[in-house]
Amino acid sequence: NAGVMQNPRHLVRRRGQEARLRCSPMKGHSHVYWYRQLPEEGLKFMVYLQKENIIDESGMPKERFSAEFPKEGPSILRIQQVVRGDSAAYFCASSPAGAYTDTQYFGPGTRLTVL
Amino acid sequence: AQSVAQPEDQVNVAEGNPLTVKCTYSVSGNPYLFWYVQYPNRGLQFLLKYITGDNLVKGSYGFEAEFNKSQTSFHLKKPSALVSDSALYFCAVRDITKAAGNKLTFGGGTRVLVKP
Repeated sequence: NAGVMQNPRHLVRRRGQEARLRCSPMKGHSHVYWYRQLPEEGLKFMVYLQKENIIDESGMPKERFSAEFPKEGPSILRIQQVVRGDSAAYFCASSPAGAYTDTQYFGPGTRLTVL
Repeated sequence: AQSVAQPEDQVNVAEGNPLTVKCTYSVSGNPYLFWYVQYPNRGLQFLLKYITGDNLVKGSYGFEAEFNKSQTSFHLKKPSALVSDSALYFCAVRDITKAAGNKLTFGGGTRVLVKP
């Protein structure tokens, strides 16, 4: 049973470019969460999505960041006009449903470097 | 608002000795508590969780954690540490009040170094 898949694993962008990060949840999971980890820090929640719905985006920066989880295909975290401060590891997690008791299982992360 | 504190940035222990990684939390409602481990350049691996019931929770790789409501703590323990346990450990909490949503709030992490 494949785990959470994320690609690319490493992404390098120049300031002003766009970054697209993809996440395929575990088989049978319909809930996806995105977290960001800055160097030497813990993970910070960004957004929680269910298929075709954003449930909670309270951790998303107001500008340049967006997320989607379409009916078909992976979840996408999109960062427009990247800046150096966006350099971080972005982790996706998935859970079977939205129950409070559910465990969130994490992918290997995408490490974004902005030059 | 929910928060998690891991008071030690690093814990050093000799192989074969007991390992403890500390975690305290703050939530407005009842907490669900989780421990994850992160190896270099890898994602987080789930170790164990406390939802309800027994305060002592057993998890993967010989780890266990004790929930203490009065001290608002959820310390991770292993009776006999291995060199391969060297990694970054994260405690996380989910506040089950509706307003808190379904997100996990993580502590800053504790680096564990087990020396042979």
